[in-house]
Amino acid sequence: QKEVEQDPGPLSVPEGAIVSLNCTYSNSAFQYFMWYRQYSRKGPELLMYTYSSGNKEDGRFTAQVDKSSKYISLFIRDSQPSDSATYLCAIPNAGGTSYGKLTFGQGTILTVHP
Amino acid sequence: NAGVTQTPKFRVLKTGQSMTLLCAQDMNHEYMYWYRQDPGMGLRLIHYSVGEGTTAKGEVPDGYNVSRLKKQNFLLGLESAAPSQTSVYFCASKAAGGRKETQYFGPGTRLLVL
Repeated sequence: QKEVEQDPGPLSVPEGAIVSLNCTYSNSAFQYFMWYRQYSRKGPELLMYTYSSGNKEDGRFTAQVDKSSKYISLFIRDSQPSDSATYLCAIPNAGGTSYGKLTFGQGTILTVHP
Repeated sequence: NAGVTQTPKFRVLKTGQSMTLLCAQDMNHEYMYWYRQDPGMGLRLIHYSVGEGTTAKGEVPDGYNVSRLKKQNFLLGLESAAPSQTSVYFCASKAAGGRKETQYFGPGTRLLVL
């Protein structure tokens, strides 16, 4: 079992829809959780990060962590065609010698059509 | 600041040929990473470096070598390319520090091995 699992999709939604992207993880020691966005033929960029459980909101984006279920989610409200990208969940490795290493999910390809 | 740059952007190799991918960062980051990205597999760590003159193996290091002779540069070498190494390669860098610090990614190098 991979440490971080993500449904690769693809996911296609109409403009204005609410999008839910999800990941599960297996290591209960994980504390920080990140979402990266990757446009076609570009490198990933950090979209949001959260610490421990709870919600974090940034504009149309909400990141949610449920540590009891080892489940993280990214919600996009009022989705726009410009949100079309691959979304990757990423979790910093736990432990003192992690050296900033990240474990990525497989990435979900999202298309928002007008 | 250019951030993280990668050279070349695209390359075609024949099986058995060698090549070096160059990554450069101008953010004075201590940590640097090489990933490969394949469809449905997410980003997988090949090698990483926590400082000038140091390198370490990641998740998928076989068939690759790396060097970090200067803090700002991280080189990825393929000594004898194989078709299984056809992929998109991303370099990233990160400041040493807490786990919430993000990795900054380059634009990627698309490699096709025939």
